Amino acid sequence: IAGITQAPTSQILAAGRRMTLRCTQDMRHNAMYWYRQDLGLGLRLIHYSNTAGTTGKGEVPDGYSVSRANTDDFPLTLASAVPSQTSVYFCASSGLAGSNTQYFGPGTRLTVL
Amino acid sequence: GQNIDQPTEMTATEGAIVQINCTYQTSGFNGLFWYQQHAGEAPTFLSYNVLDGLEEKGRFSSFLSRSKGYSYLLLKELQMKDSASYLCASRDSNYQLIWGAGTKLIIKP
Repeated sequence: IAGITQAPTSQILAAGRRMTLRCTQDMRHNAMYWYRQDLGLGLRLIHYSNTAGTTGKGEVPDGYSVSRANTDDFPLTLASAVPSQTSVYFCASSGLAGSNTQYFGPGTRLTVL
Repeated sequence: GQNIDQPTEMTATEGAIVQINCTYQTSGFNGLFWYQQHAGEAPTFLSYNVLDGLEEKGRFSSFLSRSKGYSYLLLKELQMKDSASYLCASRDSNYQLIWGAGTKLIIKP
């Protein structure tokens, strides 16, 4: 693989269920990010990780958790999904030098009913 | 506070030039990014400015004025495939990006 992959591509989920969105990158980037994108709003940062073993909260972290056990993987977990978490979720990664440009995965479209 | 403003939608004609403006208020400003996002796809990186001035990259150019908190993306020789949303994002002192809501660009033949 080259770049960032996300799984699943899309998912319909019943409210109250637990869900993990997967993200894997092969660019050896130190930093990884989870965003949600809703119509009419800019991308909003949920959680981030500057390096393996560390994580931080973004603008909208409530209801979500992340882990960063290694450089490549950065899963996002919804412990008990609610309808307001219906959104498109993008994972991104960046190096920690130069412009630190963020590169995005293809996204996961999640619908919570 | 942190804020990014860009127009919601613009329309232009194939072959023409269009300028998409972005104004920002960012604590510890540390760079300005432009991304392109086609419908149903992920954002893709277009340009990065950290110093005042114009950065040219083929048909696309990006300008930054730090003193005015202002940037623009200039697209020349518009093609139908340029129909997309264009996202402006400023980076703060914590190296986090603050995103605008995006400008949907509609290209007409």
